[in-house]
Amino acid sequence: SAVISQKPSRDICQRGTSLTIQCQVDSQVTMMFWYRQQPGQSLTLIATANQGSEATYESGFVIDKFPISRPNLTFSTLTVSNMSPEDSSIYLCSVEDEGAQGYTFGSGTRLTVV
Amino acid sequence: AQSVTQLDSQVPVFEEAPVELRCNYSSSVSVYLFWYVQYPNQGLQLLLKYLSGSTLVKGINGFEAEFNKSQTSFHLRKPSVHISDTAEYFCAAVSNDYKLSFGAGTTVTVRA
Repeated sequence: SAVISQKPSRDICQRGTSLTIQCQVDSQVTMMFWYRQQPGQSLTLIATANQGSEATYESGFVIDKFPISRPNLTFSTLTVSNMSPEDSSIYLCSVEDEGAQGYTFGSGTRLTVV
Repeated sequence: AQSVTQLDSQVPVFEEAPVELRCNYSSSVSVYLFWYVQYPNQGLQLLLKYLSGSTLVKGINGFEAEFNKSQTSFHLRKPSVHISDTAEYFCAAVSNDYKLSFGAGTTVTVRA
């Protein structure tokens, strides 16, 4: 199955700044997904990122706040822009893993905005 | 998109006792089902999945789940839990839009 390296694992950021989270996959994958997990809650899909096209955002998430890049089939970034304390969450990337016949997740980025 | 309901938000259980975590999904169309575990301060790990075939699915760490199409359920079970099974458990489903929908999660706390 695919192995995902997600960086940074955690960060503490000042409000009003931006943080870019990176996900590197050890194999080529078509679909990558970005999730948010707010404290004590489940995972909510932010957007789907396919290489060569614009990311598709879920209701309640917009590109200006969460710009995504997908330059190739093994890499993607999510930026959390103009952060506020309400953005404090765990952010996870995921891929549709054909080898594992399922979905594999990165280890997550624990973001705290102060 | 699928809707996934986990019927128990918290399940306290004694060590070596059995545990069942309940999950229902919304649709009768073809669906793939998953259970993930999240240990404290860690990412998600796949426990097991149902794609097709046998309705009883065995996963890692002694867990199993049964797919019941008529009841649109995919309950997770373990006959004897350990302290190390203390974690958050998520049921998830996907259909033809390739997007995973997660339940709210069940917190399992195993006590000695």
